[in-house]
Amino acid sequence: GAGVSQSPSNKVTEKGKDVELRCDPISGHTALYWYRQSLGQGLEFLIYFQGNSAPDKSGLPSDRFSAERTGGSVSTLTIQRTQQEDSAVYLCASSFFGQVAVGGYTFGSGTRLTVV
Amino acid sequence: AQTVTQSQPEMSVQEAETVTLSCTYDTSESDYYLFWYKQPPSRQMILVIRQEAYKQQNATENRFSVNFQKAAKSFSLKISDSQLGDAAMYFCAYIGTSGSRLTFGEGTQLTVNP
Repeated sequence: GAGVSQSPSNKVTEKGKDVELRCDPISGHTALYWYRQSLGQGLEFLIYFQGNSAPDKSGLPSDRFSAERTGGSVSTLTIQRTQQEDSAVYLCASSFFGQVAVGGYTFGSGTRLTVV
Repeated sequence: AQTVTQSQPEMSVQEAETVTLSCTYDTSESDYYLFWYKQPPSRQMILVIRQEAYKQQNATENRFSVNFQKAAKSFSLKISDSQLGDAAMYFCAYIGTSGSRLTFGEGTQLTVNP
């Protein structure tokens, strides 16, 4: 696609429910990143996918968080048993492999998750 | 590990004036890249400017310029002739030459007053 697409744009869920957030990166971008932006905070790295390599999951805050990337394209971030502290904007970004230093990332518009 | 610090949570500027946003970073690498991103209320992160550490010349993009002080590990963003559309959250980011992902600062919320 022309840009990084994230859905839904906004999600309100009840505490304890599971949610899935979707990211469709730019066609041809083999690197895909998830970040979390809490109110008044910076961008917290969650997970990084590169091609068929094992993902870098070092930023996932707990085992309630997981992500997958199917066919090297679309990615889904899943949060199980949501808690109020999970409320944040979840940003997805993509880039060509090895090109982040050259051009940075292309970001999606994020999903605002509110846990009530 | 690399860290990026933005010590100004909020800044304000009058329209048409100049404002400087601060960023410092900590790294043991000698070659790296620095970025400033803008995040307006739409949440869409936009790349504003990029600096290569091996270049002594400061990067400029129209009204945006940086003051890169490698020895001091400082990378400030100057916005000249501020416009209402410049109001946004600004993030400083770092990546080493061998790195695979950006490390971001906490952000600075810029308000532009008419």
